[in-house]
Amino acid sequence: SQTIHQWPATLVQPVGSPLSLECTVEGTSNPNLYWYRQAAGRGLQLLFYSVGIGQISSEVPQNLSASRPQDRQFILSSKKLLLSDSGFYLCAWSRETENTEAFFGQGTRLTVV
Amino acid sequence: AQSVAQPEDQVNVAEGNPLTVKCTYSVSGNPYLFWYVQYPNRGLQFLLKYITGDNLVKGSYGFEAEFNKSQTSFHLKKPSALVSDSALYFCAVREVGTYKYIFGTGTRLKVLA
Repeated sequence: SQTIHQWPATLVQPVGSPLSLECTVEGTSNPNLYWYRQAAGRGLQLLFYSVGIGQISSEVPQNLSASRPQDRQFILSSKKLLLSDSGFYLCAWSRETENTEAFFGQGTRLTVV
Repeated sequence: AQSVAQPEDQVNVAEGNPLTVKCTYSVSGNPYLFWYVQYPNRGLQFLLKYITGDNLVKGSYGFEAEFNKSQTSFHLKKPSALVSDSALYFCAVREVGTYKYIFGTGTRLKVLA
């Protein structure tokens, strides 16, 4: 069966510090991978998605970036965090076909202080 | 652009009563529609999906959803609500021709004992 791992679960970082959140998927190959941000426990904003190694699509211009160095690894990064980067970050994966659902990790609660 | 709308921020229902959480969609072509549930500080859990076929879709934990093409709706239902159903519910659409999942703003369901 497939599993998705996302870490860390919580993170407190000072303004201006770098960020690296990691997500890995097991039990499948060539998944589509996604980073979402959820603010204040409500709607999900799609930040990045990837359909293959090195292929990243950015949905929202900001000081975050994403990379996919391996087939089942997706990393969310920032060189300098802003207060507004605080939120709940969710990684997800889906199969290539369009009629399938996405599966989510447990999320990372990021607080920028 | 594809989108989903969840018109209710919160739905309150007494335990044992039927519940409905509303969702309407706007898509071009055939919609791929999904429902997810989120418990506090957790990732999203997949409940059910509509791809094609029968308009009544059954999912996890006794939930079902009714697809109505003429009303462009995909409402989530359960015949008898449990206190443990209290959570945040999201409707989503997978954008045709892309790999993106677009989420509604979420509806908080509160089941009262």
